[in-house]
Amino acid sequence: EAGVTQFPSHSVIEKGQTVTLRCDPISGHDNLYWYRRVMGKEIKFLLHFVKESKQDESGMPNNRFLAERTGGTYSTLKVQPAELEDSGVYFCASSSFQGMAAEAFFGQGTRLTVV
Amino acid sequence: DAKTTQPPSMDCAEGRAANLPCNHSTISGNEYVYWYRQIHSQGPQYIIHGLKNNETNEMASLIITEDRKSSTLILPHATLRDTAVYYCIVRVVTDKLIFGTGTRLQVFP
Repeated sequence: EAGVTQFPSHSVIEKGQTVTLRCDPISGHDNLYWYRRVMGKEIKFLLHFVKESKQDESGMPNNRFLAERTGGTYSTLKVQPAELEDSGVYFCASSSFQGMAAEAFFGQGTRLTVV
Repeated sequence: DAKTTQPPSMDCAEGRAANLPCNHSTISGNEYVYWYRQIHSQGPQYIIHGLKNNETNEMASLIITEDRKSSTLILPHATLRDTAVYYCIVRVVTDKLIFGTGTRLQVFP
């Protein structure tokens, strides 16, 4: 069974440009999460989808970040325009059902560098 | 903020058991304890989770105290590949994981 897949693995963009990160969850997983780690900080929650609906987006830093999950399958996270402080590693995770008893499986992450 | 406290680092000899402690004194009755680890800069890897009872799987054992205020992750026979940062997480009712700074476990030959 394929795990959570993220594209690209690395991205280097200039300040002010747009970048779109993609996450393919484990097949059949309705729950999809985005997290990120910026330099020197802890891994932080960004948002949670249940199928195509945003269940919790309390961790989204500002309106430059837009997450979508059309059709309830893969998800994209767009940063527009990118700023230097957006540099970090963005992780996606998925789980088969909602609730505190459901383990979430993480992808390998996308390393974003804004220069 | 994270609801757990872990030592920043630990060492363990290869082949010995690694016992990683975690304090979560403010845990609520319906909140689970999760353990993840991160090797180098890879994505966090799920290890185990539990609510009240002790749990064991192919990777590790989780021992939760009766009052649920602390727990211990046990890697029964540590290998060099177990060198990683281990995160003890109390999963809150909103379903998200709140990561702390974790314990950096170094397994040495």
